[in-house]
Amino acid sequence: DTGVSQNPRHKITKRGQNVTFRCDPISEHNRLYWYRQTLGQGPEFLTYFQNEAQLEKSRLLSDRFSAERPKGSFSTLEIQRTEQGDSAMYLCASSLGRGTYEQYFGPGTRLTVT
Amino acid sequence: AQTVTQSQPEMSVQEAETVTLSCTYDTSESDYYLFWYKQPPSRQMILVIRQEAYKQQNATENRFSVNFQKAAKSFSLKISDSQLGDAAMYFCAYGRDSNNYQLIWGAGTKLIIKP
Repeated sequence: DTGVSQNPRHKITKRGQNVTFRCDPISEHNRLYWYRQTLGQGPEFLTYFQNEAQLEKSRLLSDRFSAERPKGSFSTLEIQRTEQGDSAMYLCASSLGRGTYEQYFGPGTRLTVT
Repeated sequence: AQTVTQSQPEMSVQEAETVTLSCTYDTSESDYYLFWYKQPPSRQMILVIRQEAYKQQNATENRFSVNFQKAAKSFSLKISDSQLGDAAMYFCAYGRDSNNYQLIWGAGTKLIIKP
């Protein structure tokens, strides 16, 4: 198992464009989390999946953001009509499930909106 | 709402010495977990150590140990025999089972190791 992977690692886009990021969790992990981290800050929770069900979404998350986890495997995070304030590192983490709470993180996708 | 505060933006320590990173948190819950994560430059977040709130004994992992003061809502990380590879951002985080362990994070402390 190679751990959590995220693609792309870097994305530069122009304001107003749509972007999509992918996260591949550790294969047997049924929980998947997305966080956003801006420079000099700790990560901020965005959304959470248990298997294919999106069970929680941060109230801070604009409706321009949408996430999916079809078939409970990989997940995608889409940002529509990007704004400069969306520039950040987007982190994905996975964990095994109830009773095992350690989250394993991917390397992140760094988004720059120009 | 739960919050996590790390009051030290940056700390430095001489190689082989001991350093303590501070973390305080605010919660009205009694059952929760606390974590220290390490984020080396341009590398991914790694769990260093975790503490269950119901456990009175402080967690230890090799050179890493915590001082968990539940009443004071304090959770400090002690790194003994600091090594160059310990240089990283260190984040304190809070999570609880009833909230699916979505983690609430502090702003981080940058640890510099002086050779």
